[in-house]
Amino acid sequence: DAKTTQPNSMESNEEEPVHLPCNHSTISGTDYIHWYRQLPSQGPEYVIHGLTSNVNNRMASLAIAEDRKSSTLILHRATLRDAAVYYCILNGGATNKLIFGTGTLLAVQP
Amino acid sequence: NAGVTQTPKFQVLKTGQSMTLQCAQDMNHEYMSWYRQDPGMGLRLIHYSVGAGITDQGEVPNGYNVSRSTTEDFPLRLLSAAPSQTSVYFCASQDSATNEKLFFGSGTQLSVL
Repeated sequence: DAKTTQPNSMESNEEEPVHLPCNHSTISGTDYIHWYRQLPSQGPEYVIHGLTSNVNNRMASLAIAEDRKSSTLILHRATLRDAAVYYCILNGGATNKLIFGTGTLLAVQP
Repeated sequence: NAGVTQTPKFQVLKTGQSMTLQCAQDMNHEYMSWYRQDPGMGLRLIHYSVGAGITDQGEVPNGYNVSRSTTEDFPLRLLSAAPSQTSVYFCASQDSATNEKLFFGSGTQLSVL
């Protein structure tokens, strides 16, 4: 099963950009890269996904390395409400097992 | 659309009891899955299904059974509950043809005494 590796925790200051890294060196050519986040005491929620090109939506941006073995979720201006666990997973193509891993706990300081 | 509906929201069982967690989706998604989340931990995949009549094991399948007789429903059965199965359970579905986002239910908090 294709796996992802993320730092256990990161800290940011409010209104500063945050770059959350994810390594996925065993990614297959048809695997999409998905990001989800989980706020305290809530279920996971979708953030963004992409295949090869960088992606932007109202929540975040996703930068995908040219070799696709890593990606970075970018929150352009962190707010206190962005404090959550962020999960990077591989989806589709070679795998139907959507493994979440432990994610990155993002703390945002005022 | 209601999305993904999980019932019940809370359940307390005694060791050895059986029960079924229900999950239903109204989006005609082929892919459905069950996760468990222990306190302070990430989500772990229990079982998943890529369509009616097809199921497969995830990371932690022991102690759980699933079936997929219809596209809409994917129940999770605990045949003999154990305290180690105390957890929050999430059901999720996805349109596997497009690899769009996973839709999650609101979760079931299960306590086994």
